Formats: sequence, structure tokens, C-alpha cells
Amino acid sequence: SQQGEEDPQALSIQEGENATMNCSYKTSINNLQWYRQNSGRGLVHLILIRSNEREKHSGRLRVTLDTSKKSSSLLITASRAADTASYFCATDDTVSGSARQLTFGSGTQLTVLP
Amino acid sequence: ETGVTQTPRHLVMGMTNKKSLKCEQHLGHNAMYWYKQSAKKPLELMFVYSLEERVENNSVPSRFSPECPNSSHLFLHLHTLQPEDSALYLCASSQFQGTYEQYFGPGTRLTVT
Repeated sequence: SQQGEEDPQALSIQEGENATMNCSYKTSINNLQWYRQNSGRGLVHLILIRSNEREKHSGRLRVTLDTSKKSSSLLITASRAADTASYFCATDDTVSGSARQLTFGSGTQLTVLP
Repeated sequence: ETGVTQTPRHLVMGMTNKKSLKCEQHLGHNAMYWYKQSAKKPLELMFVYSLEERVENNSVPSRFSPECPNSSHLFLHLHTLQPEDSALYLCASSQFQGTYEQYFGPGTRLTVT
């Protein structure tokens, strides 16, 4: 079943602006991860936030997690044309005793215009 | 490069053909995955292997047959596919314990004619 839902589905901004993408999920999670995918390529892991963390930074990336609202946001600051890609959230919602797996959302297509 | 390679990168096959996709990881991970990515659909997990044993099969049709001979190699054998099976097939690997980040290969773009 679909776990993560990203919002918006598509986002177009000018270079230098900040981009914010949101993810909502339905069940309890162990951690939430964000991935990036350039067109027709594999996904690249960007950042992971554990369920007991509220905010995490990595370079120009800032991730927040609100477990009470079951939502997360990814902020990319000072965007560049090279940031153009699809961004996916993925939840690790493994239940003890079950096979571990990630559940991916539908993604946000980010376009950064030069 | 993520340390996960996939071959071939592109494949066109007829509905009666048999072909195989190959994945190799150089990261020392103990779990490998096959995903299917179709246009405008979320990533679909097909198979999970942990320590070379299949631990999850998400109701994938039998025309897809996985094989994991060792912890570094994963195959997806294809036969009598349908046009709706055309998609990007992604392989990933991870440690099966811990925080569970996955590392993806570049994918095989499959077209079934």
C-alpha cells in the first residue's frame, strides 16, 4: 500500500531560490529517508532522519520530521540548475519479525531554471 | 557511482523472448532488491534477498524469476513478458540491519514489444 505521498507533484523555481517538498505517511516509522533521481537513472540516497529526531541538516539540505502529523519536509536552499531531479521520500516502517523494506512515495519533480 | 552496477542498461525484447537482467554490488552489503518503476507510478518493490535467501516476494507474476547466487550478485530472469512490463528496473543493495539506506544501480530500461 502507498505510504509516502509527496507534495507538490511538480515544482518549478528560479536558481538561487529555496525549494520545499513535503511528504506524508500513514503508519509508524523507524526512519524516513529522502532520495533523488535524475531522469531515467537510479535513486541516490540524500539524507535519513530517525523517528526520534525532529530536524537534520546536510549541506544545503534540511529535513524535518513531525511524527505527530506523520509528515516530513525537505528544504533545498540556494537551489542550482543541477538540483533538477525527482525527489522521493521513503519510509522504513518495518514491523518486528517482518522483512525490512522501504516504501517509496510518488515523488516531486523539481525543475530549477537558470 | 554508487557501487551498484546493472547490465544491460537498455533492453528491447519480444513477448516470447527470454532474457536476464544482472546486478552486482561492490559495497559488502548483505541484502539486495529488485524494484520496478513505471511512468507516473511509485517505485514498486518486487523482490528482497537477505543473505542470499528470498525474504519477500510482493506478489510478482511468475514471468519474473529472481536469482541470488551470492551476496554480490542478483539476477532477474524474464520470460513471456507483456507490454505492460515495460519499465525501468532498478536494483539496490543495503545492509539488512541498522538504518537501512539503500544504494541503487542506474537501472535497466526494458521495452517489451
